[in-house]
Amino acid sequence: DTAVSQTPKYLVTQMGNDKSIKCEQNLGHDTMYWYKQDSKKFLKIMFSYNNKELIINETVPNRFSPKSPDKAHLNLHINSLELGDSAVYFCASSQGKSSYNSPLHFGNGTRLTVT
Amino acid sequence: DAKTTQPTSMDCAEGRAANLPCNHSTISGNEYVYWYRQIHSQGPQYIIHGLKNNETNEMASLIITEDRKSSTLILPHATLRDTAVYYCIVRTYNTDKLIFGTGTRLQVFP
Repeated sequence: DTAVSQTPKYLVTQMGNDKSIKCEQNLGHDTMYWYKQDSKKFLKIMFSYNNKELIINETVPNRFSPKSPDKAHLNLHINSLELGDSAVYFCASSQGKSSYNSPLHFGNGTRLTVT
Repeated sequence: DAKTTQPTSMDCAEGRAANLPCNHSTISGNEYVYWYRQIHSQGPQYIIHGLKNNETNEMASLIITEDRKSSTLILPHATLRDTAVYYCIVRTYNTDKLIFGTGTRLQVFP
C-alpha cells in the first residue's frame, strides 16, 4: 500500500538513449512533482503538475518531458540521455494547488546512471 | 534559494532529546516552516510543519520563536534509526515549491 511509488528503482543506460520513469500515487492528491538529487545531495524541484496541468517548470532542459495521463500518475521521459543526468529522481505528491499547508509525500526514488 | 540556515552536523546520544535548530530570519508572515528528513538515500520523509504556534505529533515537536525568525525541531528520545539528514524548509506561500537546503546531518550514537 505504498503511497507514492516509482518504477524502476534503478536504471542504468547509455548516453544518447531515451528512458522513462513512472510515478503513481494512491493518496488522492491533486498535485505531483519531480525532484532531482545530484551527487552532491542537493534536492531540486524540476516540475509540478496539478490535475494534469503543468504548474512549475524549473528551467529543465527540453530533453525532459513530464507526462500526466491522470492526476494519480506523473511520468518523466528523458530523451538523449547525458552523463550529467545521472542522479536520483524523486516523485512526490500533495493535496491541492498552492496549498502550502499540505505536506509533500515522496517516493523512494529512481537511481539513474548514465554510462 | 533556500531561506534557512542550519548547522552542518550534530551528534546525539541514543535515548536523549535531539534539538535541531534552524534560522529563517527572512520568513514572511504567511510562510510555513516544514521539517523533512532523509535517511540514507531514501525519499525525504515529512516530519512536521507549523506557522506560528508550536506543534507536536507522534514523531517530533516543533518550537517556533515568537518573532518566527528561528525554530527548533525536537526528537524527544532519539534512536539509532533517527540518524539522517534533517531539512528545515520555509515553504513559499504562493507556489507549491519546497526548496531544500543542505540540511543538518544528525548522527545518533549508542
